[in-house]
Amino acid sequence: GQNIDQPTEMTATEGAIVQINCTYQTSGFNGLFWYQQHAGEAPTFLSYNVLDGLEEKGRFSSFLSRSKGYSYLLLKELQMKDSASYLCAVGDYKLSFGAGTTVTVRA
Amino acid sequence: GAVVSQHPSWVICKSGTSVKIECRSLDFQATTMFWYRQFPKQSLMLMATSNEGSKATYEQGVEKDKFLINHASLTLSTLTVTSAHPEDSSFYICSARLRTGDYEQYFGPGTRLTVT
Repeated sequence: GQNIDQPTEMTATEGAIVQINCTYQTSGFNGLFWYQQHAGEAPTFLSYNVLDGLEEKGRFSSFLSRSKGYSYLLLKELQMKDSASYLCAVGDYKLSFGAGTTVTVRA
Repeated sequence: GAVVSQHPSWVICKSGTSVKIECRSLDFQATTMFWYRQFPKQSLMLMATSNEGSKATYEQGVEKDKFLINHASLTLSTLTVTSAHPEDSSFYICSARLRTGDYEQYFGPGTRLTVT
């Protein structure tokens, strides 16, 4: 089975940096995904890590350590529109999602 | 490209009735679609994998006779909630892959079901 943990909530100031951690315990591992979900909307894809290391994509970066079962999503230069839930998911053909981290960006 | 739509976006039905939710891939063909359910402030839970031309594969604990899935074409999968009860009220989301072997899933906008 899959056990995926991430913090429930985080608050940060506009322009700041926030790091969302995700730890996982899985029976098999094929990749780790991060999705953004605004309230009442479907998730949108942010990043995918299959190998250890940092993947950078604009203001968003994602890191993976397979030996530690650990990932983080780094959001830089926070904007108000970044207020959303961020979902960590593990899998390949089928995805198992964490409960999500609600990030609130304050002016 | 890779747009997935759902219809309806929200629906209210009475307890005991059935509701059909459609999931369409608008600009690509999807041999496989996925159906998720999300309760408030909870994670997405995979309900079933919908395969074109064959029976759906349901996750453990999901009643296949209650949640009927039909994937009749390469662009359409439907989820029918039969004999709906208030506890079935949830946000139902479908997703699809652009190509077999792709890792990225494209999600539909979701359907909010409220059973009264």
